[in-house]
Amino acid sequence: AQKITQTQPGMFVQEKEAVTLDCTYDTSDQSYGLFWYKQPSSGEMIFLIYQGSYDEQNATEGRYSLNFQKARKSANLVISASQLGDSAMYFCAMGSGGGADGLTFGKGTHLIIQP
Amino acid sequence: EAGVTQSPTHLIKTRGQQATLRCSPISGHTSVYWYQQALGLGLQFLLWYDEGEERNRGNFPPRFSGRQFPNYSSELNVNALELEDSALYLCASSDGQGGQDTQYFGPGTRLTVL
Repeated sequence: AQKITQTQPGMFVQEKEAVTLDCTYDTSDQSYGLFWYKQPSSGEMIFLIYQGSYDEQNATEGRYSLNFQKARKSANLVISASQLGDSAMYFCAMGSGGGADGLTFGKGTHLIIQP
Repeated sequence: EAGVTQSPTHLIKTRGQQATLRCSPISGHTSVYWYQQALGLGLQFLLWYDEGEERNRGNFPPRFSGRQFPNYSSELNVNALELEDSALYLCASSDGQGGQDTQYFGPGTRLTVL
């Protein structure tokens, strides 16, 4: 069975600071994908970044980067130069195999950016 | 490119009724996933449709069902509604069948059961 653990229920960060959201995962699969999604209060899940288990480079997408440490089974999201609009719930998720079981999500981190 | 769309935005039903939720995937995507996000339970996988077939379902009772149409849009039906079915229902689409294919989500349908 797959499991995603996000240990930070909530975080307060000053605007313009960098923030790291923690995510650890557990799986027996060799091939898997790790995803981060942002969910504002409106409810829509917005895809941010993807890391494949065989990717040697850490993924980056604009201000988002994924710090992938395979041996430690961690996939932390780093947001550089945070903005007020970054305030939202952030979910780490994993998919593997044929995708038959959908994505497994963590419980999320509620990030609040303060001016 | 249009994203995933869902309708209705909100739905209010009473116990015992049936609810129908609809989802249109991104153009060119053949896989549609349904998830339930209930308060305190997090996001849980409900159903997966691909090429018109139900490929897998999560740990939900049979009163949760659905279908995928030839144009790849999908419908989720919840029969004999119970109070605990109140949740945000999210639909996602992807252009592949693998667990590593990115799923893009719609805005969700918020179902309230009274």
